[in-house]
Amino acid sequence: EVQLVESGGGLVQPGRSLRLSCAASGFTFDDYAMHWVRQAPGKGLEWVSGISWNSGSIGYADSVKGRFTISRDNAKNSLYLQMNSLRAEDTALYYCAKDKRTQLYENDAFDIWGQGTMVTVSS
Amino acid sequence: SYELTQPLSVSVALGQTARITCGGNNIGSKNVHWYQQKPGQAPVLVIYRDSNRPSGIPERFSGSNSGNTATLTISRAQAGDEADYYCQVWDSSSVVFGGGTKLTVL
Repeated sequence: EVQLVESGGGLVQPGRSLRLSCAASGFTFDDYAMHWVRQAPGKGLEWVSGISWNSGSIGYADSVKGRFTISRDNAKNSLYLQMNSLRAEDTALYYCAKDKRTQLYENDAFDIWGQGTMVTVSS
Repeated sequence: SYELTQPLSVSVALGQTARITCGGNNIGSKNVHWYQQKPGQAPVLVIYRDSNRPSGIPERFSGSNSGNTATLTISRAQAGDEADYYCQVWDSSSVVFGGGTKLTVL
């Protein structure tokens, strides 16, 4: 079964850090680009970051550039998101999503999504 | 930055055809993807690259894209189609989602 399982969310104070993980199974992880997409409570979807199959190409939304770092470990079939200097507006459900392509920026869709991990930034 | 405009809500009678639009400047030149999200669930891809259906998605779901408008069409709407629908494109090395449309089946 193709599956993405996120973990690492929780309650964190503003200015602190958190690291999210996404464990992939059921497909050849290193054949695909991967992404993080978030959804604030009651709001729409917002792309956060993406990474190509070999980490050679990485992209970030302007809202997180300089604060978040995406990475992957193909040997462990895992995707990560290091989130620093967290703000209240980063509060959201964070989804891991699989791209249909190998490279980033190939204009294709996200065909597999995890169930998400909730991040709450509050004092 | 590129913007995608969707109606906040669309209503359709059971068994009729629903059309959800996604507006953007010259969106016809881009690949448009559509996702369905039911309450408390993760998004599911229902249409990719304007008009292609992933395996497992009913033929009732179709898509088109031309000019400044992309459209998701749901034929013979069922109660189970009630959900939020999001369009998505790539623009300038970034991913853009529409604001989402809540589909109500009456």
